[in-house]
Amino acid sequence: EPEVTQTPSHQVTQMGQEVILRCVPISNHLYFYWYRQILGQKVEFLVSFYNNEISEKSEIFDDQFSVERPDGSNFTLKIRSTKLEDSAMYFCASSLTGVGAQETQYFGPGTRLLVL
Amino acid sequence: KQEVTQIPAALSVPEGENLVLNCSFTDSAIYNLQWFRQDPGKGLTSLLLIQSSQREQTSGRLNASLDKSSGRSTLYIAASQPGDSATYLCAVRRETSGSRLTFGEGTQLTVNP
Repeated sequence: EPEVTQTPSHQVTQMGQEVILRCVPISNHLYFYWYRQILGQKVEFLVSFYNNEISEKSEIFDDQFSVERPDGSNFTLKIRSTKLEDSAMYFCASSLTGVGAQETQYFGPGTRLLVL
Repeated sequence: KQEVTQIPAALSVPEGENLVLNCSFTDSAIYNLQWFRQDPGKGLTSLLLIQSSQREQTSGRLNASLDKSSGRSTLYIAASQPGDSATYLCAVRRETSGSRLTFGEGTQLTVNP
């Protein structure tokens, strides 16, 4: 069964460094998302991406964040200058469409980011 | 602002019991509601998606219902098994918020053999 994959599974970085989290969505899906979950807290929406542009972003997704689909398979989240509070599990998700039952969002296993 | 609440926060039951997990949301103008399962340290597995026009969805031993007007959904698990032990999350998509999902804090379920 097709699944969303993410790399790396764990990333440790120093505060102020740039990190890039990578995702391979399900191959025929058209909508892509990033969410995060700080330890012990709710899953929070960061951004959605469709047709090579951001379709929606949350207040968390400020100028230090960016997303890109550099080729036909990868979807990346870049954090330009990491802060301690960016430590979280980052989930990538994809959906076939934005309408109806095919809008089911499928999540990857996550990247656990630790900022020291 | 949409708020999603799940009750109870934790639940421990003996194997074989039927159980109900609850999800409530403050803004009834939702497009759909999705139930997920999360195993410790792992990603989210989609269980069921209910459109706003639907009353319930079933998959195997799972049945999810939706009462949009009262802002509630329940996930019914029949004949629970130890392998059902996980955290169950509900998430709603509002009619006016694009595809963003707003999550509850989850119910941590333990099924004891």
